[in-house]
Amino acid sequence: KAGVTQTPRYLIKTRGQQVTLSCSPISGHRSVSWYQQTPGQGLQFLFEYFSETQRNKGNFPGRFSGRQFSNSRSEMNVSTLELGDSALYLCASSFSGPPYEQYFGPGTRLTVT
Amino acid sequence: AQTVTQSQPEMSVQEAETVTLSCTYDTSESDYYLFWYKQPPSRQMILVIRQEAYKQQNATENRFSVNFQKAAKSFSLKISDSQLGDAAMYFCAYRSAEETSGSRLTFGEGTQLTVNP
Repeated sequence: KAGVTQTPRYLIKTRGQQVTLSCSPISGHRSVSWYQQTPGQGLQFLFEYFSETQRNKGNFPGRFSGRQFSNSRSEMNVSTLELGDSALYLCASSFSGPPYEQYFGPGTRLTVT
Repeated sequence: AQTVTQSQPEMSVQEAETVTLSCTYDTSESDYYLFWYKQPPSRQMILVIRQEAYKQQNATENRFSVNFQKAAKSFSLKISDSQLGDAAMYFCAYRSAEETSGSRLTFGEGTQLTVNP
């Protein structure tokens, strides 16, 4: 079974621009979560989508948004990029029931200049 | 809100030896799940082991085992017969069993494990 895929793997953007990252979950997984990883803040939860609905949201500004499509693929969007948005963005997918194990993609490395 | 603490930023172990990574958490919930993830230099997060809070028996996966002390809110990872490939950042993570929490994981700060040949 194919794992979680994320595209693109690397991205360089300029401050003020916007960016869209994509995540394709493992087949059969309906839950997709996004995390931001930085050296200073560690791993922080952004949001989770389940059956095309946002089920949970972390403490991030409204510039961070996401959506999920009927095939469970998910996208996250960051508008008006700031230097502090430079991070590794990880996507994880899981089944909706126990044991709730999340499987992570390889991440998208975003650099904002 | 739940918090997860890993008090050892770095650990090292000799190849073939045993090492234990510490993790404590704070929660008022009685039902939850705990995980250890490994992140090698490739940055790919890999699930190492899972523990359900309602199970008293400690989870084991080959050379990896946990010591789950629910009352003490402690969840340590023991790696036996350490191998060079075990070198990575290890994260402890908490997941609530509450339906409203969804699949959200709360992570600790991580412990960088070095394996010396």
